Amino acid sequence: AIQLTQSPSSLSASVGDRVTITCRASQGISSALAWYQQKPGKAPKLLIYGASSLQSGVPSRFSGSGSGTDFTLTISSLQPEDFATYSCQHFNNYPITFGQGTRLEIK
Amino acid sequence: QVQLQESGPGLVKPSETLSLTCTVSGGSMINYYWSWFRQPPGKGLEWIGYISNGGITNYNPSLTSRVTVSGDTSKNQYFLQLTSVTAADTAVYYCARKGQRTGAFDIWGQGTMVSVSS
Repeated sequence: AIQLTQSPSSLSASVGDRVTITCRASQGISSALAWYQQKPGKAPKLLIYGASSLQSGVPSRFSGSGSGTDFTLTISSLQPEDFATYSCQHFNNYPITFGQGTRLEIK
Repeated sequence: QVQLQESGPGLVKPSETLSLTCTVSGGSMINYYWSWFRQPPGKGLEWIGYISNGGITNYNPSLTSRVTVSGDTSKNQYFLQLTSVTAADTAVYYCARKGQRTGAFDIWGQGTMVSVSS
């Protein structure tokens, strides 16, 4: 199975900051990567698919980039509602796997 | 607007079978892939398996000997059965739809907590 490694595991930032989270795949997955946001007690919410396409209804401050094995999620200007856990997920083949998550906390 | 809702027992005894239902409302199951996921307390997400509207299934190799996903499109429901459960199967279980356009999971149920304990 393809392994996804996210960094950092946790991150403290302030409202207005620019934040970048990385996801590295154990083998090439082209652009078959998605990013999700998850808040405590809630289901994951799709933010980015195809590595860089913004899901409908997601604010434009979220962006994704990368292909092959290295990917990034960037939040251009953190808002209070953005403090959550972010996970990458590949859909290059089965089994689908997720990164371990990055917890974004308020500084 | 399509919505998913998981239902089933919140407590299952060790060695017994965990059975959950996902009810799809506001849309059809046809032409989509429908998956189950789980998330143990404080841990990351794990894909369990999927069923297509044609009845094709695919399971995580780590669970394939114990899992069955089935569906009833006439009732707009699909199901998860996980046999011989242990405490390691304690988790929040989610159902989710794979988007046709996105290839990712664009609609999720709210999740249901299942604890395995005697």
